[in-house]
Amino acid sequence: EMQLVESGGGLVQPGGSLRLSCAASGFTFSSHWMTWVRQAPGKGLEWVASINQDGGKEYCLDSLKGRFTISRDNARYSVYLQMNSLSAEDTAVYYCGRFFSYHMDVWGKGTTVIVSS
Amino acid sequence: QSVLTQPPSVSGAPGQRVTISCTGSSSNIGAGYDVHWYQHLPGTAPKLLIYGNINRPSGVPDRFSGSKSGTSASLAISGLQAEDEADYYCQSYDTRLSGSVFGGGTKLTVL
Repeated sequence: EMQLVESGGGLVQPGGSLRLSCAASGFTFSSHWMTWVRQAPGKGLEWVASINQDGGKEYCLDSLKGRFTISRDNARYSVYLQMNSLSAEDTAVYYCGRFFSYHMDVWGKGTTVIVSS
Repeated sequence: QSVLTQPPSVSGAPGQRVTISCTGSSSNIGAGYDVHWYQHLPGTAPKLLIYGNINRPSGVPDRFSGSKSGTSASLAISGLQAEDEADYYCQSYDTRLSGSVFGGGTKLTVL
């Protein structure tokens, strides 16, 4: 069974940093693009970042560039999201997804990030 | 303001048919990029319903169907069931933003 499990969320103070992880299983991880999507409270889904199979190509939402970085470790079957200079606007559930032909066909259950003092 | 526009809510009685529209522009749907649809219940993983405008993944009932024309797309749900009550999102790719874009989401209420 294909599965994605996110971790690393929690409560962080404004200006702080957090690194989210997503562990994949049930498919050949190194063959697929991966992506992060978030949902702020009361809001819709928002694409955050995507990364190609070998990590050589990364794409990030313009408004997050310079603060958020996506990376992956194919040996560990994991994708990561490094988030710096966090603000209340970054409070959201962060979902990891397998990105295939411009859509997400496998999703994790998400990890919650709360930015608050 | 989402790049793709969806109605905030739709409703229907059990057994009825409802449609959810998704309107984009020349930099996304109108540029020929496919539209995909997801069903989402709060606190759970979003579920892919339709990919490539019209295709259903294995396990998705044929009550769900998708279409695309010009700069818009639609999701139709026939034979409404109580379990269909959820949020629905369309998604495509935008060349101007160089990334995926979602609609604002539509809350389906089964009366």
